[in-house]
Amino acid sequence: GENVEQHPSTLSVQEGDSAVIKCTYSDSASNYFPWYKQELGKGPQLIIDIRSNVGEKKDQRIAVTLNKTAKHFSLHITETQPEDSAVYFCAGRRGGTSYGKLTFGQGTILTVHP
Amino acid sequence: KAGVTQTPRYLIKTRGQQVTLSCSPISGHRSVSWYQQTPGQGLQFLFEYFSETQRNKGNFPGRFSGRQFSNSRSEMNVSTLELGDSALYLCASSGAQGGNTEAFFGQGTRLTVV
Repeated sequence: GENVEQHPSTLSVQEGDSAVIKCTYSDSASNYFPWYKQELGKGPQLIIDIRSNVGEKKDQRIAVTLNKTAKHFSLHITETQPEDSAVYFCAGRRGGTSYGKLTFGQGTILTVHP
Repeated sequence: KAGVTQTPRYLIKTRGQQVTLSCSPISGHRSVSWYQQTPGQGLQFLFEYFSETQRNKGNFPGRFSGRQFSNSRSEMNVSTLELGDSALYLCASSGAQGGNTEAFFGQGTRLTVV
């Protein structure tokens, strides 16, 4: 079945620095890759996603890149702020009738120091 | 537009009991998926319902079951609770129509089994 590996498990940066989180997936049928941010006591919040027909997508300080050949995708956060501190999860999903099933990475605890 | 609503937010149950959790999806969404989140196993897919039918199922024992009603609201049930069932249970809804298949999560139900 699908497996998603996420690295690093923890990431500590200074405010204003960039942060990069990487994921690899095993299922070549996966075609949708969302990223979620989860703050303490809350459910995961969708922050950005990318589909397999696109190599890069950007939304203000957040960007995601996808390399289908290598089966990996990355989250890039620029000009980090303390409020970016949270747990970030990547996920993969097949198309068709499997689009209700996300396979998640293990999560990255991001800490942004003021 | 109201988000995904899960009730109750917190539950404490005794080993051997059963429990029912509820999820109301975003208005117009027809797909509801359930996930279990634990520190050790991360976010794991339980099952997905679409138009009152279970469409996908994860690798959980038969003690975990669910259903969906005609208004798309969903419930999940766990029978014969075990200590290891203590977790945050999250549901996610998606439009499941055409290209708008982003999944949005509720705040979760924190289940503690004692």
